[in-house]
Amino acid sequence: SQTIHQWPATLVQPVGSPLSLECTVEGTSNPNLYWYRQAAGRGLQLLFYSVGIGQISSEVPQNLSASRPQDRQFILSSKKLLLSDSGFYLCAWSLGRTYTGELFFGEGSRLTVL
Amino acid sequence: SQQGEEDPQALSIQEGENATMNCSYKTSINNLQWYRQNSGRGLVHLILIRSNEREKHSGRLRVTLDTSKKSSSLLITASRAADTASYFCATERLGAQKLVFGQGTRLTINP
Repeated sequence: SQTIHQWPATLVQPVGSPLSLECTVEGTSNPNLYWYRQAAGRGLQLLFYSVGIGQISSEVPQNLSASRPQDRQFILSSKKLLLSDSGFYLCAWSLGRTYTGELFFGEGSRLTVL
Repeated sequence: SQQGEEDPQALSIQEGENATMNCSYKTSINNLQWYRQNSGRGLVHLILIRSNEREKHSGRLRVTLDTSKKSSSLLITASRAADTASYFCATERLGAQKLVFGQGTRLTINP
């Protein structure tokens, strides 16, 4: 069966520090991968998605970046965090080819920037 | 920008009652999906309805889609305390391989 792992689950970082959130998927090949951010009590904002290794599409201009170094690994990074980067970050995968299909989400990473 | 807009933003009902949540969107879509999120957790997929479908059932869930009105509804029948969660609709626009989520409806089931 397929599983998705996301870490760390919680982190508190000072403004200006770097960030690295990692997501890995097991039990499937060539998934579409997604990073979403959720502000407190709000909906999800799509940040990045990837349909293959090295292929990254950015949805929102910001100081975050994403990389996909391996087929089932998706990394969200920042060189210098801002206060506005605080939020709940969710990684997800799907197998859709002609359409997205069902998304499978990780348990999320809660980031607090102080 | 958010494609789907859920209504109401919050809903509180008694256990055993039916809960109805609505979603409106703006552009033509491939499909519309509903997800559930327990507090502080990831989202869980509930149901997908394609643009050429009008109604779909899954257990106590019933989803309708009206593409002429660009709207969908999620009905949860015979609600239980465990149904307390936030519910989100998500749409996939034509030609786009990504989902855009609404702001969600916070559903509270009172025992």
